[in-house]
Amino acid sequence: SQKIEQNSEALNIQEGKTATLTCNYTNYSPAYLQWYRQDPGRGPVFLLLIRENEKEKRKERLKVTFDTTLKQSLFHITASQPADSATYLCALDEDNFNKFYFGSGTKLNVKP
Amino acid sequence: DAGVIQSPRHEVTEMGQEVTLRCKPISGHDYLFWYRQTMMRGLELLIYFNNNVPIDDSGMPEDRFSAKMPNASFSTLKIQPSEPRDSAVYFCASSFQPGQDNYGYTFGSGTRLTVV
Repeated sequence: SQKIEQNSEALNIQEGKTATLTCNYTNYSPAYLQWYRQDPGRGPVFLLLIRENEKEKRKERLKVTFDTTLKQSLFHITASQPADSATYLCALDEDNFNKFYFGSGTKLNVKP
Repeated sequence: DAGVIQSPRHEVTEMGQEVTLRCKPISGHDYLFWYRQTMMRGLELLIYFNNNVPIDDSGMPEDRFSAKMPNASFSTLKIQPSEPRDSAVYFCASSFQPGQDNYGYTFGSGTRLTVV
């Protein structure tokens, strides 16, 4: 069956360090992979999209990698700040349709 | 643009009652999605529309759920009759066609539904 796995345990890091979150998947062949941020009581907010033929994408302090052989994406936040504390969700499309399935998310806590 | 607008923000209803959730997508977006989020199951895709036409409703849990998109600026998700297990946060999202540089879903703030 199709599965998207994100670490269910919260990630606690110190301000200024780099946070790295992992998204693993099985039985998908996604054309796109997206990362979202969700704060309590709010809807997810789109951060970055990476295509299957792209290895890496950057946006300000954010970096996403996409390894279709390992079936894994890594999401990095450099110079993390307490304001980066939130739940981060990855999402994959199915068969190149505009239909995305979401992982359960990883909660990031950045301590001052 | 004010973003994706959902109403109501909170809904408490009794089991057996009809519930209607509403969504106004971002103007110009071709796609509209309804998701449901619970602690146990995370974000689940219920149904999505392209240019107002339902494309895939395989995620709709039961016949008690129905969704419509009568025009490009409005969609509804209806549950009739509602049951306690329908309690969740329901999100509406919209997007352009995949592949555009600014592609990504824009989610509304959600409707928190509680069925007692």
